[in-house]
Amino acid sequence: GNSVTQMEGPVTLSEEAFLTINCTYTATGYPSLFWYVQYPGEGLQLLLKATKADDKGSNKGFEATYRKETTSFHLEKGSVQVSDSAVYFCALLTGTASKLTFGTGTRLQVTL
Amino acid sequence: GAVVSQHPSWVICKSGTSVKIECRSLDFQATTMFWYRQFPKQSLMLMATSNEGSKATYEQGVEKDKFLINHASLTLSTLTVTSAHPEDSSFYICSAREGGTRLTPQHFGDGTRLSIL
Repeated sequence: GNSVTQMEGPVTLSEEAFLTINCTYTATGYPSLFWYVQYPGEGLQLLLKATKADDKGSNKGFEATYRKETTSFHLEKGSVQVSDSAVYFCALLTGTASKLTFGTGTRLQVTL
Repeated sequence: GAVVSQHPSWVICKSGTSVKIECRSLDFQATTMFWYRQFPKQSLMLMATSNEGSKATYEQGVEKDKFLINHASLTLSTLTVTSAHPEDSSFYICSAREGGTRLTPQHFGDGTRLSIL
């Protein structure tokens, strides 16, 4: 079956530090990959996506590259801000039913 | 654009009562809506998928008689938790997708926190 594995959090960084949140996946076929962000008490917002191998998704300074050879989709940002504090979910999408499979989420806390 | 409104945002009720949660797409027609459940500090678990005008497809282990889903229009889906008990307390999130292909993004509501006393 499909699964997504994320690094355990929480991740605590100082403002302007470099961020990496690891994500690896197991899937049948060729999935599309996503990163979602969830701010406290809110639903999820799509942060970025990649639909095929070697694609790079980017948004708001975040980026992630679809690596088929390592089945990974690590999230990176060069300089985090306090406002980036949230929970980040890696997810994949396969099949015609469009069921998203989520990782367990990684909480990011950015301090001044 | 692509706003999904979920109501109520928080509900507290006594054990044994039924609770209805609404999910509305405000500026697009949602041919497919999804209902998720999220336990504290855990990921989202898909409960069911509903297409407008047809019966919902429930994931394995989800009681369809317990969690009633209606998707009667292209802008509204409802989840009713029937005879709720404390173990049903959770954060419920809906998402909606506007036609297209499976790659068409799902847009998420802000969630409903359900607490059963």
